[in-house]
Amino acid sequence: EAHLVESGGGLVQPGGSLRLSCAASGFTFSSYWMHWVRQVPGKGLVWVSRIYIDGSSPNYADSVKGRFTVSRDNAKNTLYLEMNSLRAEDTAVYYCAREQQEYCASGVCSYFDYWGQGTLVTVSS
Amino acid sequence: DMQMTQSPSSLSASVGDRVTITCRASQNINTYLNWYQQKPGKAPKLLIYGASSLQSGVPSRFSGGGSGTDFTLTISSLQPEDFATYYCQQSYSTPRTFGPGTKVEIK
Repeated sequence: EAHLVESGGGLVQPGGSLRLSCAASGFTFSSYWMHWVRQVPGKGLVWVSRIYIDGSSPNYADSVKGRFTVSRDNAKNTLYLEMNSLRAEDTAVYYCAREQQEYCASGVCSYFDYWGQGTLVTVSS
Repeated sequence: DMQMTQSPSSLSASVGDRVTITCRASQNINTYLNWYQQKPGKAPKLLIYGASSLQSGVPSRFSGGGSGTDFTLTISSLQPEDFATYYCQQSYSTPRTFGPGTKVEIK
């Protein structure tokens, strides 16, 4: 069964940097688009970023564009999120998630079928 | 960006009740709509994809419906383990926006 484990979270000062990792196992990592989703404790889910199978064409939420960089190492089965110029509002639990795609009645349905347990990032002085 | 809304934001219900949660998209998303359940301190869990397809292993008391802009998640007979927060998510476009969530609490 697929398994995702995030790491790298912690306390960082405003303006600082942090790199999150998401280690994948139990499936062919290089065959799946991957995403980062974050959640402020007690609040809702917010999509952050997506990366294609080969690491090309990353997408970002407007709130992190220019500050966060998503990447992947398919040889190491690992997804990354490099976070720079961190702000207090970036404080959240960060989840990685696998995107599954399959043919459905309307075309190709996609959904997040596996999630990691999350890693907490706290931006505070 | 696609905006997703959900109603109600919270509800109180009893074990055995039929519960329906509504999700609305700001534009037509066909049936590219997923539902997730999240319990405190846990990662979200996929329940429904493609508006109405039940994810493997999810109890049949969960069902989804709708197309275009209006969607529903129904729990036919609420069980103790169903008390959680439920999120809809559109997969029609990027960013993959989520609804604000509906918290289902014990009456």
